[in-house]
Amino acid sequence: DIQLTQSPSFLSASVGDRVTITCRASQGISSYLVWYQQKPGRAPKLLIYAASTLQSGVPSRFSGSGSGTEFTLTISSLQPEDFATYYCQQLNSYPLTFGGGTKVEIK
Amino acid sequence: QVQLVQSGAEVKKPGASVKVSCEASGYTFTNYYIHWVRQGPGQGLEWMGMINPSGGRTNCAQKFQGRLTMTRDTSTTTVYMELSSLRSEDTAVYYCARSPTTSQLDNWGQGTLVTVSS
Repeated sequence: DIQLTQSPSFLSASVGDRVTITCRASQGISSYLVWYQQKPGRAPKLLIYAASTLQSGVPSRFSGSGSGTEFTLTISSLQPEDFATYYCQQLNSYPLTFGGGTKVEIK
Repeated sequence: QVQLVQSGAEVKKPGASVKVSCEASGYTFTNYYIHWVRQGPGQGLEWMGMINPSGGRTNCAQKFQGRLTMTRDTSTTTVYMELSSLRSEDTAVYYCARSPTTSQLDNWGQGTLVTVSS
């Protein structure tokens, strides 16, 4: 199985900060990487697919990059509604594993 | 609009089975896979398996093989997930989600809480 390691697992930031989350794969997965946002008590929401393509309706302050084994999710200017947990998922091969998550909290 | 509506919360005893439904609407049912993902209390997301509603082919994480059954009813555009031999560690919120073939999970159900307790 492909393992995904997210870092950090927790981060504290302020509104307006630039935030970067990393997801590393245990083997190459090309660009078969997606990012989700999850708020407490809610289902995950798709943010980015194919490593860097923004899902329709997602604000442009979110961006993704990377290929192979290292990927990043960047929020250019953190907004109050962005405080949530973020997960990466690989779609390269079954089982479709998730990273452990990164919780973004208000400083 | 696309909707995935799941059945309600369940409480089961250890060793029992649970069957959760996911009714799809707002799109062509057979054009999208349905995945099942679970989340234990305070835990991360865990992919369990998927079904292709066009033909019924399934793929299941090895961890759940032998315990997980996924089926679909095209007449009611509903997918079912049955997990057997339940143990306390199966207590979780279970989500269904759709994807265009093996691709991003772009729409999710609201989740179904399954509690396993004696």
